[in-house]
Amino acid sequence: EVQLLESGGGLVQPGGSLRLSCAASRFTFSSYGMSWVRQAPGKGLEWVSTISGSGGNTYYADSVKGRFTISGDNSKNILYLQMNSLRVEDTAVYYCAKVWGNTWYFDLWGRGTLVTVSS
Amino acid sequence: EIVLTQSPATLSLSPGERATLSCRPSQSVSSYLAWYQQKPGQAPRLLIYDASNRATGIPARFSGSGSGTDFTLTISSLEPEDFAVYYCQQRSNWPLTFGPGTKVEIK
Repeated sequence: EVQLLESGGGLVQPGGSLRLSCAASRFTFSSYGMSWVRQAPGKGLEWVSTISGSGGNTYYADSVKGRFTISGDNSKNILYLQMNSLRVEDTAVYYCAKVWGNTWYFDLWGRGTLVTVSS
Repeated sequence: EIVLTQSPATLSLSPGERATLSCRPSQSVSSYLAWYQQKPGQAPRLLIYDASNRATGIPARFSGSGSGTDFTLTISSLEPEDFAVYYCQQRSNWPLTFGPGTKVEIK
């Protein structure tokens, strides 16, 4: 079954760092763009970052630019999100999502991993 | 940044009724708009892409229309499993943006 599985979430203090991982199964990871989308508790969806299939292009929301870095390991089929200088407002469920073709829509989502930033 | 406004915030309907959801971008997105469904505790699911195309496996009761700055998602006859939150998303410009969602609840 084609699927995405996130890991790496947890409780971190403000100013701390965390690295999220997303393992992709049963599709050629490097052929697709991949993204992170987050959802604060009880709130809507917020796009965070996208990396192109080639890895040559990365895009970030202004709210995370300069603090978060998206990357991928094509040999392992794993997507990463390195999150530094975390803020309370970064608290959310972080979803990994596969970009559908060249559309920048998301046709496959993981179950999400919860990041809580609190002292 | 393109801001997406969804209305209404909540729609209270009974099974079998027709649901009409609106999404209005702050500037034209051509036809580059998608709709997602999200149920509690689940990840979103892509329903409609490029305004009017159903994604794979999506029932025909879901339809999308519109272009530019005015889009509509219609559910022709609500099934019990359709009660959920619906989000629109534009891909016309970076940053990608989502609307705040419309909750379709059982009346």
